[in-house]
Amino acid sequence: DSGVTQTPKHLITATGQRVTLRCSPRSGDLSVYWYQQSLDQGLQFLIQYYNGEERAKGNILERFSAQQFPDLHSELNLSSLELGDSALYFCASSARDGYSGANVLTFGAGSRLTVL
Amino acid sequence: AQSVTQPDIHITVSEGASLELRCNYSYGATPYLFWYVQSPGQGLQLLLKYFSGDTLVQGIKGFEAEFKRSQSSFNLRKPSVHWSDAAEYFCAVGAPNTGTASKLTFGTGTRLQVTL
Repeated sequence: DSGVTQTPKHLITATGQRVTLRCSPRSGDLSVYWYQQSLDQGLQFLIQYYNGEERAKGNILERFSAQQFPDLHSELNLSSLELGDSALYFCASSARDGYSGANVLTFGAGSRLTVL
Repeated sequence: AQSVTQPDIHITVSEGASLELRCNYSYGATPYLFWYVQSPGQGLQLLLKYFSGDTLVQGIKGFEAEFKRSQSSFNLRKPSVHWSDAAEYFCAVGAPNTGTASKLTFGTGTRLQVTL
Protein backbone atom coordinates (compact mmCIF):
# COMPACT_ATOMS: atom_id res chain seq x y z
CA ASP A 1 0.00 0.00 0.00
CA SER A 2 1.59 3.24 -1.21
CA GLY A 3 -0.56 5.48 0.98
CA VAL A 4 -2.17 7.15 -2.03
CA THR A 5 -5.80 6.04 -2.30
CA GLN A 6 -7.76 6.14 -5.51
CA THR A 7 -11.42 5.37 -6.01
CA PRO A 8 -13.05 3.76 -7.83
CA LYS A 9 -10.66 1.03 -8.96
CA HIS A 10 -12.75 0.23 -12.00
CA LEU A 11 -15.43 2.20 -13.78
CA ILE A 12 -17.45 1.33 -16.86
CA THR A 13 -19.59 3.96 -18.47
CA ALA A 14 -21.03 5.05 -21.81
CA THR A 15 -19.96 7.68 -24.29
CA GLY A 16 -21.21 11.14 -23.46
CA GLN A 17 -21.32 10.49 -19.75
CA ARG A 18 -19.43 12.22 -16.94
CA VAL A 19 -17.39 10.57 -14.21
CA THR A 20 -15.42 11.70 -11.18
CA LEU A 21 -12.24 10.03 -10.00
CA ARG A 22 -11.10 10.61 -6.45
CA CYS A 23 -7.66 10.66 -4.90
CA SER A 24 -6.45 10.95 -1.32
CA PRO A 25 -2.76 11.76 -1.04
CA ARG A 26 -0.33 10.34 1.47
CA SER A 27 -0.53 11.94 4.86
CA GLY A 28 1.53 15.13 4.84
CA ASP A 29 1.89 15.41 1.07
CA LEU A 30 0.64 18.72 -0.29
CA SER A 31 0.96 18.04 -4.01
CA VAL A 32 -1.32 15.88 -6.11
CA TYR A 33 -0.67 14.90 -9.71
CA TRP A 34 -2.92 13.24 -12.27
CA TYR A 35 -1.59 11.05 -15.06
CA GLN A 36 -3.36 9.17 -17.84
CA GLN A 37 -1.94 5.86 -19.05
CA SER A 38 -3.17 4.47 -22.34
CA LEU A 39 -1.71 1.97 -24.78
CA ASP A 40 -1.19 4.50 -27.55
CA GLN A 41 -0.14 7.55 -25.51
CA GLY A 42 1.78 6.00 -22.64
CA LEU A 43 1.93 7.91 -19.36
CA GLN A 44 0.77 11.45 -19.92
CA PHE A 45 0.89 14.17 -17.28
CA LEU A 46 -2.44 15.90 -16.91
CA ILE A 47 -2.27 18.37 -14.04
CA GLN A 48 -0.69 19.13 -10.67
CA TYR A 49 -2.12 20.83 -7.60
CA TYR A 50 -0.23 22.09 -4.60
CA ASN A 51 -2.13 22.89 -1.43
CA GLY A 52 -5.30 23.61 -3.33
CA GLU A 53 -3.83 25.62 -6.18
CA GLU A 54 -3.06 24.53 -9.72
CA ARG A 55 0.70 24.47 -10.21
CA ALA A 56 1.42 22.73 -13.50
CA LYS A 57 -0.67 21.74 -16.47
CA GLY A 58 0.00 19.13 -19.10
CA ASN A 59 -1.99 17.61 -21.91
CA ILE A 60 -5.34 17.86 -20.18
CA LEU A 61 -8.37 18.10 -22.44
CA GLU A 62 -10.89 20.90 -21.97
CA ARG A 63 -13.50 18.22 -21.20
CA PHE A 64 -11.44 17.27 -18.16
CA SER A 65 -11.11 19.31 -15.00
CA ALA A 66 -9.62 18.78 -11.58
CA GLN A 67 -9.50 20.39 -8.20
CA GLN A 68 -7.86 19.91 -4.84
CA PHE A 69 -9.95 20.46 -1.76
CA PRO A 70 -8.94 21.98 1.63
CA ASP A 71 -8.46 18.49 3.08
CA LEU A 72 -6.00 17.93 0.17
CA HIS A 73 -7.94 15.21 -1.56
CA SER A 74 -8.36 15.73 -5.27
CA GLU A 75 -10.96 14.92 -7.87
CA LEU A 76 -10.58 14.53 -11.61
CA ASN A 77 -13.77 15.16 -13.56
CA LEU A 78 -14.10 13.72 -17.03
CA SER A 79 -17.09 14.79 -19.10
CA SER A 80 -18.56 14.12 -22.54
CA LEU A 81 -16.64 10.88 -22.48
CA GLU A 82 -15.37 9.36 -25.70
CA LEU A 83 -14.14 5.87 -26.47
CA GLY A 84 -10.60 7.21 -26.56
CA ASP A 85 -10.80 8.30 -22.93
CA SER A 86 -10.64 4.67 -21.86
CA ALA A 87 -7.43 4.46 -19.87
CA LEU A 88 -5.85 3.97 -16.50
CA TYR A 89 -5.84 7.21 -14.52
CA PHE A 90 -3.19 7.54 -11.87
CA CYS A 91 -2.97 9.93 -9.01
CA ALA A 92 0.33 10.61 -7.31
CA SER A 93 1.30 12.73 -4.36
CA SER A 94 4.71 14.08 -3.53
CA ALA A 95 6.92 14.98 -0.67
CA ARG A 96 10.01 17.10 -1.10
CA ASP A 97 13.33 15.40 -0.57
CA GLY A 98 14.88 17.17 2.41
CA TYR A 99 18.36 17.27 0.92
CA SER A 100 17.78 18.15 -2.71
CA GLY A 101 14.36 19.77 -2.58
CA ALA A 102 13.21 17.48 -5.37
CA ASN A 103 9.67 16.23 -5.49
CA VAL A 104 9.42 12.45 -5.23
CA LEU A 105 6.15 11.06 -6.55
CA THR A 106 4.28 8.19 -4.93
CA PHE A 107 1.57 6.68 -7.10
CA GLY A 108 -1.78 5.20 -6.27
CA ALA A 109 -3.02 1.95 -7.79
CA GLY A 110 -5.02 3.76 -10.45
CA SER A 111 -8.61 3.96 -11.64
CA ARG A 112 -9.36 2.00 -14.78
CA LEU A 113 -11.97 3.74 -16.90
CA THR A 114 -13.71 1.89 -19.69
CA VAL A 115 -15.96 3.89 -22.00
CA LEU A 116 -18.34 1.81 -24.09
CA ALA B 1 11.22 20.79 -22.66
CA GLN B 2 12.35 17.57 -21.08
CA SER B 3 11.90 14.20 -22.75
CA VAL B 4 12.85 10.59 -22.18
CA THR B 5 13.57 7.80 -24.62
CA GLN B 6 13.49 4.14 -23.74
CA PRO B 7 14.65 2.47 -26.94
CA ASP B 8 13.70 -1.08 -25.97
CA ILE B 9 9.99 -1.80 -25.95
CA HIS B 10 10.36 -5.41 -24.87
CA ILE B 11 13.27 -7.38 -23.39
CA THR B 12 13.44 -11.04 -22.50
CA VAL B 13 16.10 -12.41 -20.16
CA SER B 14 16.64 -15.72 -18.45
CA GLU B 15 16.32 -15.94 -14.70
CA GLY B 16 19.73 -15.42 -13.14
CA ALA B 17 21.04 -13.43 -16.08
CA SER B 18 22.08 -9.81 -15.83
CA LEU B 19 19.84 -7.00 -17.00
CA GLU B 20 20.36 -3.55 -18.40
CA LEU B 21 17.47 -1.30 -19.42
CA ARG B 22 18.35 1.78 -21.40
CA CYS B 23 17.16 5.30 -20.80
CA ASN B 24 18.21 8.48 -22.56
CA TYR B 25 16.97 11.89 -21.59
CA SER B 26 16.86 15.31 -23.14
CA TYR B 27 17.24 18.31 -20.87
CA GLY B 28 19.38 21.43 -20.90
CA ALA B 29 21.06 20.78 -17.58
CA THR B 30 21.32 17.91 -15.13
CA PRO B 31 17.78 16.77 -14.43
CA TYR B 32 16.31 14.70 -11.68
CA LEU B 33 16.06 11.09 -12.88
CA PHE B 34 13.90 8.24 -11.71
CA TRP B 35 13.11 4.62 -12.45
CA TYR B 36 9.68 3.23 -11.65
CA VAL B 37 8.35 -0.31 -12.00
CA GLN B 38 4.77 -1.28 -12.77
CA SER B 39 3.59 -4.84 -12.19
CA PRO B 40 0.44 -6.00 -14.00
CA GLY B 41 -2.62 -4.32 -12.57
CA GLN B 42 -0.56 -2.27 -10.15
CA GLY B 43 0.52 1.30 -9.76
CA LEU B 44 4.03 2.58 -10.26
CA GLN B 45 6.60 1.89 -7.59
CA LEU B 46 9.76 3.95 -7.26
CA LEU B 47 12.92 1.86 -7.72
CA LEU B 48 15.53 4.57 -7.42
CA LYS B 49 16.26 8.23 -8.02
CA TYR B 50 19.14 10.50 -8.91
CA PHE B 51 19.36 14.13 -7.91
CA SER B 52 23.08 14.90 -7.77
CA GLY B 53 26.39 13.60 -6.47
CA ASP B 54 27.48 9.98 -6.85
CA THR B 55 26.50 8.90 -10.35
CA LEU B 56 25.85 5.31 -9.33
CA VAL B 57 22.67 5.02 -7.31
CA GLN B 58 21.32 2.01 -5.52
CA GLY B 59 17.65 1.22 -5.32
CA ILE B 60 15.28 -1.35 -3.99
CA LYS B 61 15.09 -5.00 -5.08
CA GLY B 62 18.79 -5.07 -5.98
CA PHE B 63 18.55 -2.54 -8.81
CA GLU B 64 21.09 0.16 -9.54
CA ALA B 65 21.40 2.88 -12.16
CA GLU B 66 24.26 4.96 -13.44
CA PHE B 67 23.97 8.56 -14.55
CA LYS B 68 26.26 9.39 -17.48
CA ARG B 69 26.13 13.06 -18.34
CA SER B 70 28.24 12.66 -21.49
CA GLN B 71 25.74 10.16 -22.90
CA SER B 72 22.59 11.72 -21.41
CA SER B 73 21.78 8.29 -20.09
CA PHE B 74 20.48 6.73 -16.90
CA ASN B 75 20.51 2.99 -17.50
CA LEU B 76 19.03 0.56 -15.01
CA ARG B 77 20.92 -2.60 -14.13
CA LYS B 78 20.54 -5.73 -12.07
CA PRO B 79 23.22 -8.39 -11.83
CA SER B 80 20.86 -11.35 -11.49
CA VAL B 81 17.22 -11.21 -12.52
CA HIS B 82 14.50 -13.06 -10.64
CA TRP B 83 11.23 -14.24 -12.17
CA SER B 84 9.38 -11.76 -9.97
CA ASP B 85 11.14 -8.89 -11.77
CA ALA B 86 8.91 -9.40 -14.80
CA ALA B 87 7.09 -6.08 -15.13
CA GLU B 88 7.13 -2.83 -17.04
CA TYR B 89 9.88 -0.36 -16.23
CA PHE B 90 9.61 3.37 -16.73
CA CYS B 91 12.35 5.96 -16.75
CA ALA B 92 11.30 9.49 -15.83
CA VAL B 93 12.88 12.92 -15.82
CA GLY B 94 12.06 15.97 -13.73
CA ALA B 95 13.30 19.53 -13.89
CA PRO B 96 15.20 20.84 -10.86
CA ASN B 97 14.57 24.13 -9.13
CA THR B 98 10.92 24.44 -10.07
CA GLY B 99 9.76 24.92 -6.51
CA THR B 100 6.28 23.59 -5.89
CA ALA B 101 5.46 23.38 -9.59
CA SER B 102 6.79 20.13 -10.91
CA LYS B 103 5.98 17.13 -13.02
CA LEU B 104 7.72 14.03 -14.23
CA THR B 105 7.97 13.16 -17.89
CA PHE B 106 7.97 9.43 -18.47
CA GLY B 107 9.42 7.28 -21.18
CA THR B 108 7.27 4.79 -23.05
CA GLY B 109 8.40 1.93 -20.86
CA THR B 110 10.25 -1.34 -21.33
CA ARG B 111 8.41 -4.57 -20.74
CA LEU B 112 10.65 -7.18 -19.13
CA GLN B 113 9.90 -10.84 -19.56
CA VAL B 114 11.84 -13.38 -17.52
CA THR B 115 12.15 -16.94 -18.72
CA LEU B 116 12.82 -19.78 -16.32
